[in-house]
Amino acid sequence: GEDVEQSLFLSVREGDSSVINCTYTDSSSTYLYWYKQEPGAGLQLLTYIFSNMDMKQDQRLTVLLNKKDKHLSLRIADTQTGDSAIYFCAEKGGTGGFKTIFGAGTRLFVKA
Amino acid sequence: GAGVSQSPSNKVTEKGKDVELRCDPISGHTALYWYRQSLGQGLEFLIYFQGNSAPDKSGLPSDRFSAERTGGSVSTLTIQRTQQEDSAVYLCASSLGPGEGGYTFGSGTRLTVV
Repeated sequence: GEDVEQSLFLSVREGDSSVINCTYTDSSSTYLYWYKQEPGAGLQLLTYIFSNMDMKQDQRLTVLLNKKDKHLSLRIADTQTGDSAIYFCAEKGGTGGFKTIFGAGTRLFVKA
Repeated sequence: GAGVSQSPSNKVTEKGKDVELRCDPISGHTALYWYRQSLGQGLEFLIYFQGNSAPDKSGLPSDRFSAERTGGSVSTLTIQRTQQEDSAVYLCASSLGPGEGGYTFGSGTRLTVV
């Protein structure tokens, strides 16, 4: 079945870049997403990329997709303490149909 | 409404009791999803409603779980004879349709079974 994997923790210093990595198994995935979850809140969509794209940039966020290796990354430039949260990688449109399959989330710690 | 609203935000129940969790999606969103988030785990898909189509119930973990969506809007997730392993945050999300856009999530209902 479909699976999305990501490392559980990442710690960076304020002002540095953060790179959160994700791998997925469903080569037929059409859309790949990054969501952010702050404590006590639901998930917030950050950005998404179509599977026929290599890269998408949105202000401090850069998404890179390597479809051959089924690898997705999210780079946050100039990381701030307010970026501390859990970041979820997700995919949709493959064998799972219209439901989105989520990874377990990467907890980002930003040290001042 | 402006966002996805879930109630209650917290629920503590005794093992064996039934609970109902409510989700009010964004007006005009035809797709509605329920997920479960356990401590340290990713989001586990439970059920998906799209318009008037039959729901995709493939993620419901047992027959103690059921959900309905009335009038294409509000949805209720019911858990009968709750067990301690049902303790989790239950998240509801909605989207305009089943296509490319991502979901708008509610803040969730934290269910604790004691």
